[in-house]
Amino acid sequence: KQEVTQIPAALSVPEGENLVLNCSFTDSAIYNLQWFRQDPGKGLTSLLLIQSSQREQTSGRLNASLDKSSGRSTLYIAASQPGDSATYLCAVKVIKAAGNKLTFGGGTRVLVKP
Amino acid sequence: DTEVTQTPKHLVMGMTNKKSLKCEQHMGHRAMYWYKQKAKKPPELMFVYSYEKLSINESVPSRFSPECPNSSLLNLHLHALQPEDSALYLCASSHGMGTGGRTEAFFGQGTRLTVV
Repeated sequence: KQEVTQIPAALSVPEGENLVLNCSFTDSAIYNLQWFRQDPGKGLTSLLLIQSSQREQTSGRLNASLDKSSGRSTLYIAASQPGDSATYLCAVKVIKAAGNKLTFGGGTRVLVKP
Repeated sequence: DTEVTQTPKHLVMGMTNKKSLKCEQHMGHRAMYWYKQKAKKPPELMFVYSYEKLSINESVPSRFSPECPNSSLLNLHLHALQPEDSALYLCASSHGMGTGGRTEAFFGQGTRLTVV
């Protein structure tokens, strides 16, 4: 059974500092890995998708890496801003005979202090 | 358009009521999902529909009944719920398998359900 873990569970940094969020998964047979942002009481916003054949993806201040063999992904957010405060979730997609299955980590709650 | 629309945004229902949650997408996605999320927890998968057929049911109690009337719509029918079913219910969609395309999942804003 695929298990996804995110460390740390919470993170507080001063504005301008770089953020490093970690995600690990137990089964390396993944189809892709996706990073999401969730604001309190809201839905999930997709940030980056990394296909299993890729090593990294970048979008603006965000960069995500994937090391499938070691079961790890890291999300880097450069020059953090108070607006980056949210919960960040990683999710891995596994292909089952029955269909796709997206399994989430527990999330990292980020607070960027002005 | 990468939008998944869920209605209603908020719902309060009694334990004897019957209500439905609705989800709609127009991205041509053929896989649609229902997730349940409790406070400060990650989303938990409930159901997966693939090409309008139920493909995964994560042992969800029968008081939750999903329905996929067409490729753009997904409903979740609720009946005789318990207070512990109060949660944020999220709908998502992605391309189906075998399309050769990216299977990025897009989520709606959720329905905040309170059972009293």
